[in-house]
Amino acid sequence: DTGVSQDPRHKITKRGQNVTFRCDPISEHNRLYWYRQTLGQGPEFLTYFQNEAQLEKSRLLSDRFSAERPKGSFSTLEIQRTEQGDSAMYLCASSLGNQGGKLFFGSGTQLSVL
Amino acid sequence: GQQLNQSPQSMFIQEGEDVSMNCTSSSIFNTWLWYKQDPGEGPVLLIALYKAGELTSNGRLTAQFGITRKDSFLNISASIPSDVGIYFCAGQSYTNDMRFGAGTRLTVKP
Repeated sequence: DTGVSQDPRHKITKRGQNVTFRCDPISEHNRLYWYRQTLGQGPEFLTYFQNEAQLEKSRLLSDRFSAERPKGSFSTLEIQRTEQGDSAMYLCASSLGNQGGKLFFGSGTQLSVL
Repeated sequence: GQQLNQSPQSMFIQEGEDVSMNCTSSSIFNTWLWYKQDPGEGPVLLIALYKAGELTSNGRLTAQFGITRKDSFLNISASIPSDVGIYFCAGQSYTNDMRFGAGTRLTVKP
């Protein structure tokens, strides 16, 4: 068990550029979650997958955000036309469907939009 | 946005003191959880609660799932310096997504 892995750890980009983050969950976990966290706040739910199906998306997730989990394993989160307000820590978590709520988080990707 | 109200926002205590923090919600949750986050890392699960009224311990940590299913508290006994960090409550509803409180920042003075 290598834990949840996220790449990159840090990303600096210019406003208007597209960025993509990757998450590798714990291998046997069928659920995968994306959260966003800003300074002084708790993680804010963005979306989650059960296997390859995206089951829920936050209303806060604008059309510029898209997430995929093509084979039910790793996931990517893409932000198009980044804005300064997108600057945040993007956290990925995974869990086993029958272990309600026990999310295992990665170390996150810190995004800075200049 | 956040649906959970977590208090206090921050605490400064002396090593050896007990700590109590709580979380309330306007919504009912099926599961309450408590996480701890260190700087630059993701949250780590401390305790999970699944039934209203449930009281669960993990070492020096004790947490309870409120009877109304709209609140939970976390106690830390005999605090030590490594308890420093941010503690988050989280509630999971029937839709399986999980919402987090804004956190309680704990500082322990040796």
